[in-house]
Amino acid sequence: EAEVAQSPRYKITEKSQAVAFWCDPISGHATLYWYRQILGQGPELLVQFQDESVVDDSQLPKDRFSAERLKGVDSTLKIQPAELGDSAMYLCASSLGRREAVNTEAFFGQGTRLTVV
Amino acid sequence: GNSVTQMEGPVTLSEEAFLTINCTYTATGYPSLFWYVQYPGEGLQLLLKATKADDKGSNKGFEATYRKETTSFHLEKGSVQVSDSAVYFCALIAFGNEKLTFGTGTRLTIIP
Repeated sequence: EAEVAQSPRYKITEKSQAVAFWCDPISGHATLYWYRQILGQGPELLVQFQDESVVDDSQLPKDRFSAERLKGVDSTLKIQPAELGDSAMYLCASSLGRREAVNTEAFFGQGTRLTVV
Repeated sequence: GNSVTQMEGPVTLSEEAFLTINCTYTATGYPSLFWYVQYPGEGLQLLLKATKADDKGSNKGFEATYRKETTSFHLEKGSVQVSDSAVYFCALIAFGNEKLTFGTGTRLTIIP
């Protein structure tokens, strides 16, 4: 069964260091999402791609976070420098994302749990 | 903009009790509606979905009906089990921009 792949599964980093997460969506999915989920809260959208283009990054802290999806397939989310408050689960999801598609459910990866010390 | 409002938790029930978790939404156009479930330490899994008014999504004994007139998508299960303990998220995708919006989640604990 096709699934969204994320790595690493867990990451511990010191504050002020750089950290990167990788996501490989389900093949053929045009829409890719990065979410941040702080413990005990709902997922918060950081950035949404349609193919290689960013369609929503209004909640992305652009002074330290960046995201790219250069070939419209896999994606990388980077934080530099990391801060203590960035400790959270980072979830990647993908959906078919075509305008003509009705059942555009999103499929989630297992997430990357980031701890900043 | 689009938004989802969920019943505040946590919710604690005894095994075999009836479950309802309320969800209402605000959206332009006709969104697709979803319930996702998150077990401890894991990512989100789709539980059920409905794509148009009066559709009923169902899975693993859970059901939810897309009610356009009340803009609701309440989750129900007739007899819960300990294994249903998890966090449940109501969500919507607005057709056209594919933006997936979540509610804040409801933590459900089932005690034997």
